[in-house]
Amino acid sequence: DGGITQSPKYLFRKEGQNVTLSCEQNLNHDAMYWYRQDPGQGLRLIYYSQIVNDFQKGDIAEGYSVSREKKESFPLTVTSAQKNPTAFYLCASSIFRGGQSYNSPLHFGNGTRLTVT
Amino acid sequence: SQELEQSPQSLIVQEGKNLTINCTSSKTLYGLYWYKQKYGEGLIFLMMLQKGGEEKSHEKITAKLDEKKQQSSLHITASQPSHAGIYLCGADGRAGNNRKLIWGLGTSLAVNP
Repeated sequence: DGGITQSPKYLFRKEGQNVTLSCEQNLNHDAMYWYRQDPGQGLRLIYYSQIVNDFQKGDIAEGYSVSREKKESFPLTVTSAQKNPTAFYLCASSIFRGGQSYNSPLHFGNGTRLTVT
Repeated sequence: SQELEQSPQSLIVQEGKNLTINCTSSKTLYGLYWYKQKYGEGLIFLMMLQKGGEEKSHEKITAKLDEKKQQSSLHITASQPSHAGIYLCGADGRAGNNRKLIWGLGTSLAVNP
């Protein structure tokens, strides 16, 4: 079955260390997204990518970096510059038809809970 | 900026009861999505609504988008413990090549057996 796989489910890191969250999809979707979810704040967009080798900053990109070298993969690196990295991170993907991705639902992975101490 | 307001924030119902969750925007929505989330897990896509007046159903869950495309409701008939979770609405806030999705804060639903 097609889907989005995020790994690991739980991740623990010491403050000052960079950490990379994995996101792989086999849905043949062009667009991929990273969200951060915190209690009481809803989903906030970190980065998104509509095609390979291209990505755009979302609303809270500071302290994060991404790459999109393959259609199937969109890893997120949480750098030591991110002031409050402990959160639940969600990866998603969607169709990108004819240069437009709206009106196509996002499909989400099961998330990675990152704890930095 | 455009926002999606969900109500109620939380809901506790007795098994078998009907319930409704609302999602309201101050501006026209180009696409409205409903998702369900269990704590600590990803979002599961339920339904997408695009046209004013559109209504879709899946099992005991019905979603509607009003004619002005500014408000959507999610109705659950004869609720079951399996319906418990957080329901989120999301929407395409504007048309264009760079997608702008906006999200509600979610409605937490508990169903008591």
